[in-house]
Amino acid sequence: NAGVTQTPKFQVLKTGQSMTLQCAQDMNHNSMYWYRQDPGMGLRLIYYSASEGTTDKGEVPNGYNVSRLNKREFSLRLESAAPSQTSVYFCASRGGTGYNIQYFGAGTRLSVL
Amino acid sequence: AQSVTQLDSQVPVFEEAPVELRCNYSSSVSVYLFWYVQYPNQGLQLLLKYLSGSTLVKGINGFEAEFNKSQTSFHLRKPSVHISDTAEYFCAVILNRDDKIIFGKGTRLHILP
Repeated sequence: NAGVTQTPKFQVLKTGQSMTLQCAQDMNHNSMYWYRQDPGMGLRLIYYSASEGTTDKGEVPNGYNVSRLNKREFSLRLESAAPSQTSVYFCASRGGTGYNIQYFGAGTRLSVL
Repeated sequence: AQSVTQLDSQVPVFEEAPVELRCNYSSSVSVYLFWYVQYPNQGLQLLLKYLSGSTLVKGINGFEAEFNKSQTSFHLRKPSVHISDTAEYFCAVILNRDDKIIFGKGTRLHILP
């Protein structure tokens, strides 16, 4: 009964370092999403994938890349981290019988120094 | 373009008092509407949803919301709040055929003892 699993839960990077945030869902959902959450800004969509093999930009894609590795996994990569990317990142998935409901992971807290 | 406006960024309310969190949306087509709740240091979870049918929908933890098409609103209410309701609440909308869910900026509910 895992739902949406994100790793790592916490990460500290130095400016210019790279890293990949991992996300996996076990609900056989077609759609997956990456958001960032900043104080007073709500949730902003970074990238999404409507189905395996497709990805599209969201509201704030600059500085990020994504890979829909298979139906279960959707990763977010920061090639050269910047302090402006300090945020809480959430992965979500949607599909199945309640297809309009989005399910969220617990989040990754990223700090870029 | 569709958008979601949560009119209050923070709402303080005394314990056992009623509360209303306001949400307005803009869309020229039919929409699905949601309220999500985010407890401290957790991901978002679905509180309730409106897809069709009765305009008054009931969710978990005693919350309910009413869809008002003429006023394009979907306000969230609870007749008596508890300290455990301390959280951030997000209103969200999705078009019938769109794959992106649009979130409001959130309302922080502060329960005063």
